[in-house]
Amino acid sequence: QKEVEQDPGPLSVPEGAIVSLNCTYSNSAFQYFMWYRQYSRKGPELLMYTYSSGNKEDGRFTAQVDKSSKYISLFIRDSQPSDSATYLCAMSAGSGGYNKLIFGAGTRLAVHP
Amino acid sequence: EAGVTQFPSHSVIEKGQTVTLRCDPISGHDNLYWYRRVMGKEIKFLLHFVKESKQDESGMPNNRFLAERTGGTYSTLKVQPAELEDSGVYFCASSQGMGAEPLHFGNGTRLTVT
Repeated sequence: QKEVEQDPGPLSVPEGAIVSLNCTYSNSAFQYFMWYRQYSRKGPELLMYTYSSGNKEDGRFTAQVDKSSKYISLFIRDSQPSDSATYLCAMSAGSGGYNKLIFGAGTRLAVHP
Repeated sequence: EAGVTQFPSHSVIEKGQTVTLRCDPISGHDNLYWYRRVMGKEIKFLLHFVKESKQDESGMPNNRFLAERTGGTYSTLKVQPAELEDSGVYFCASSQGMGAEPLHFGNGTRLTVT
């Protein structure tokens, strides 16, 4: 069983839709949670990061962590064609901080006009 | 501020040859990491430098891989001899502090071993 499970998609939505991306994990030691966006032939670009449980909002993006359910989410409001990319969740255990990341497989998102 | 820079962007070599990948981290970042993504798999951790010292090399697949970070600045990752299963995208990342800041990634080197 993988430590981090993420549906690879693809996920196709119309412009303006609310997008929900999710990951589940099995290691209860994970404390640091990140979402990266990756465009084709580019490196992962940090979008959001949170420590432990709770919500964090940044513009159109909201990250949620539910440690009791071992479940994290990324919501994108008013989605735009420029949001079309692969979204990767990543997490790490407490003692190492953000150092040694475990990635999900990534979800491909396509936002069509 | 320049981001993490990796050279080359793409390398095609034959099985048995040697390839050296280079990474220049963000200026002032003591932490430097190597990750890779092989076909159909998740991005996986290879190793972590703090300045010039290897902090964690638990993800290095075997002794054909050698990473160095001379002077605590740029890093190189050498694969010698390359095998077909080494094909993939090799990412470098850097961060400040001791795990207190998230990682910033470069665009990767796409390695193809034929």
